[in-house]
Amino acid sequence: SALAQPPSASGSPGQSVTISCIGSSSDVGSYNHVSWYQQHPGKAPKLIIYEVNKRPSGVPNRFSGSKSDNTASLTVSGLQVEDEADYYCFSYGGSNNWGVFGGGTKLTVL
Amino acid sequence: EVQLLESGGGLVQPGGSLRLSCAASGFTFSSSAMAWVRQAPGKGLEWVSSISDSGSSTYYGDSVKGRFTISRDNSKNTLYLQMNSLRAEDTAVYYCTHIASRHFDYWGQGTLVTVSS
Repeated sequence: SALAQPPSASGSPGQSVTISCIGSSSDVGSYNHVSWYQQHPGKAPKLIIYEVNKRPSGVPNRFSGSKSDNTASLTVSGLQVEDEADYYCFSYGGSNNWGVFGGGTKLTVL
Repeated sequence: EVQLLESGGGLVQPGGSLRLSCAASGFTFSSSAMAWVRQAPGKGLEWVSSISDSGSSTYYGDSVKGRFTISRDNSKNTLYLQMNSLRAEDTAVYYCTHIASRHFDYWGQGTLVTVSS
């Protein structure tokens, strides 16, 4: 089943916000292959965090990831207006259940 | 520059079939695992299927297992998704993605599949 994310999150410019992603011992808890994607309306998703806490080239260091047991988290520091978007987590789950996304979190920058 | 260009989407009746294609360029296709991810209108992302670089290993989400088949032609740098026994709940934008390790680092712009009578 899908990883559990809060449907919404919000913060003011300059603040920090953390989005959780709750999985199980079969996915998030077993593998360091958790990734996060940012999606603006009408656009394709964009990779912003991979392997729990690594950032692709070009992604601002305001975006950071972590994991504890079956829960992964994405933190956006120093919120900017352009960070307003939908965010999805994804976890690899092994060859029997290759991968699963979270339900998504709509981040609003107030 | 990596480019993934999907095609083949459209309107199909319930129970019908459709084949999606994804033309890849800008990287060594034959050395890359690939995947399809879909997004129903107004809904979240759903992983559909993945395939290894050689095509020898394939994986499917439970909602499409037995109905969809992922394949690739490395000589044509093209990824496919054969979709059979389509249902209304398969209506979605289908994205072709490049897999790096176990994450999706490049995405196409997507092709819309609408299943309706």
